[in-house]
Order: sequence, then structure tokens, then C-alpha cells
Amino acid sequence: AAGVIQSPRHLIKEKRETATLKCYPIPRHDTVYWYQQGPGQDPQFLISFYEKMQSDKGSIPDRFSAQQFSDYHSELNMSSLELGDSALYFCGTSGSYEQFFGPGTRLTVL
Amino acid sequence: GQQVMQIPQYQHVQEGEDFTTYCNSSTTLSNIQWYKQRPGGHPVFLIQLVKSGEVKKQKRLTFQFGEAKKNSSLHITATQTTDVGTYFCAWGSGYSTLTFGKGTMLLVSP
Repeated sequence: AAGVIQSPRHLIKEKRETATLKCYPIPRHDTVYWYQQGPGQDPQFLISFYEKMQSDKGSIPDRFSAQQFSDYHSELNMSSLELGDSALYFCGTSGSYEQFFGPGTRLTVL
Repeated sequence: GQQVMQIPQYQHVQEGEDFTTYCNSSTTLSNIQWYKQRPGGHPVFLIQLVKSGEVKKQKRLTFQFGEAKKNSSLHITATQTTDVGTYFCAWGSGYSTLTFGKGTMLLVSP
């Protein structure tokens, strides 16, 4: 069965650089969620989209933005990267009550 | 505001021993979900509980939702090394954002 695809799987950036993370949901899943998980932490909700419109917003810094495109894939854009942005970024998608998570993008900011 | 505590933070058991993790909320939850995250992996949906006093079983895993819908537990009977990982409770639903508990990390020694 098709799963959630995230790219890239690993990303290394330097401070003040920008990064773009991509998420391709399971076919026919119209809702996309972005989470940030620091080492040893629980996933923290950043932002979500339903039918290409932002549906909810969590603890997403102003330096980050995201959007969902017509094919339902989503991109998380991160600018002016800081050391504290180093984390695992998960994309979750849903078609019903459960969420399916992608494998994550591990971002390291040096 | 709503506060949910998940305990214990960490548990180390011998293979064959039982394991239980608890989530306790200060307010009534409409539903609760449980996810498992293997080391280096992404959260994987296990189950959703909705009804007061609900009990669901999946092989060696037993999930309970309290009568007041303020607490929930996940019990694993006769742990195996494949049970290693972090177990998160979460609330919300597939159509809304999930908030995760802090997680319980389970280590199983052979």
C-alpha cells in the first residue's frame, strides 16, 4: 500500500540558510499535518492544511511557512535557520480519524 | 488549560514481563489514540478509543479508556524485544491536529 513520502530524508544546513521539506500524502488523503520532534521529545504540531487551505496553526515560527498544492503535496519552507531548528520533521496525512506519518526529514543545522 | 500526563517516562523490563503506560488528563477527552514509535522511526497508529470505559485488545496489547474519559492505559502482556520503542498517547482526531503525550520509552532486555 502507498505510504506517506517525505523528501529529503536527511538535510544538513548552516545557520541562516533556508530549507524546503516536501511531503507527498497517501492518495486521496486531503489533509496534511506538519510536526517537529526534537531529540527525546514528543512530536509538536506546526501547521496543517485541508483541501489546500491552512486549517490549523500550532507552534510554527514566523520564519517557517508552508503550503499545500493542487496535487495535495505540501512543502514546509524554513528560513534563517537556527541551531534549535535541528529536529525530525514529520508529515502526517489522514483520510479518517487516524493519522499516517511519513518517515520524516532529519534536519541538522550546523 | 488541559493538561495530560503520561507516565512513566521510561521503563526497562525483562522479556516476558508485563508493561503498562498511562495517560491522565485534567479534563475530559473526546477520544484518545495510541501510537508507537520505534527508535529512528516514525509514529505508527495503534488504536483509537472513543467510548467511556472502552477496552480494546490487539494480541498482547490491551487498551483502556476510563469511565470519565480522563485517563487511558496501554498494557502489554509478556513483552518481547520487538515491543521496544516509545509509546505515545495522543488526542484529537484525523480531522484535527493531534496533541501528543510526552511518551513512555520501553526497553526490553532478552
